[in-house]
Amino acid sequence: EVLLVESGGGLVKPGGSLRLSCAASGFTFNNAWMSWVRQTPGKGLEWVGRIKTKTDGWKTDYTAPVKGRFTISRDDSKNILGLQMNSLEDEDTGVYYCTTDPASGLDYWGQGTLVTVSS
Amino acid sequence: DIRMTQSPSSLSASVGDRVTITCQASEDINDSLNWYQQKPRKAPKLLIYAASNLEPGVPSRFSGSGSGTEFTFTISSLQPEDIATYYCQHYDYFPYSFGQGTTLEIK
Repeated sequence: EVLLVESGGGLVKPGGSLRLSCAASGFTFNNAWMSWVRQTPGKGLEWVGRIKTKTDGWKTDYTAPVKGRFTISRDDSKNILGLQMNSLEDEDTGVYYCTTDPASGLDYWGQGTLVTVSS
Repeated sequence: DIRMTQSPSSLSASVGDRVTITCQASEDINDSLNWYQQKPRKAPKLLIYAASNLEPGVPSRFSGSGSGTEFTFTISSLQPEDIATYYCQHYDYFPYSFGQGTTLEIK
């Protein structure tokens, strides 16, 4: 059974930082490009960013609103995907999903973790 | 970036009705299009990939068509369990993007 389990969400003040993690199992994690998708009240579903595999140089891509503030990482030895979020803004409030990237030919999603940015 | 325009934003139909949702891409995306179903407090669920291919396990009343910039999603006979919000999503190149969603309700 494929499982993607996100953790680390919570309440944070504007300008603060938060780190999300996603524990993967049931598929060959190190062969899969992985992504983070968020669902916010303002923009709906938005593809936050992705990280490629070791074979593809662990290259990362980000959507413009988070570039320079968010960093995606992966630990293939532990099957963990990470999302470091800095300089958080009100507009970053939403549910964050860990998912496989469409380029991997897989479509797996976690249950989501809620991030609330508020003073 | 590619913009996905989905319509209608909401739709009310009766059980057994044929339902159609359209999605327009701001540039040619070939057939790099998914259709998702999302129910409240759940992650999106893939129904159709590559514009017209049914994901395994998804009922055959769901279908998709189109290529280039114009796409259509159809439910041939609406069932009560189909009440959800539906999204198109392109994956031609990054950043991928979603349509605004179509919320389906039973009349």
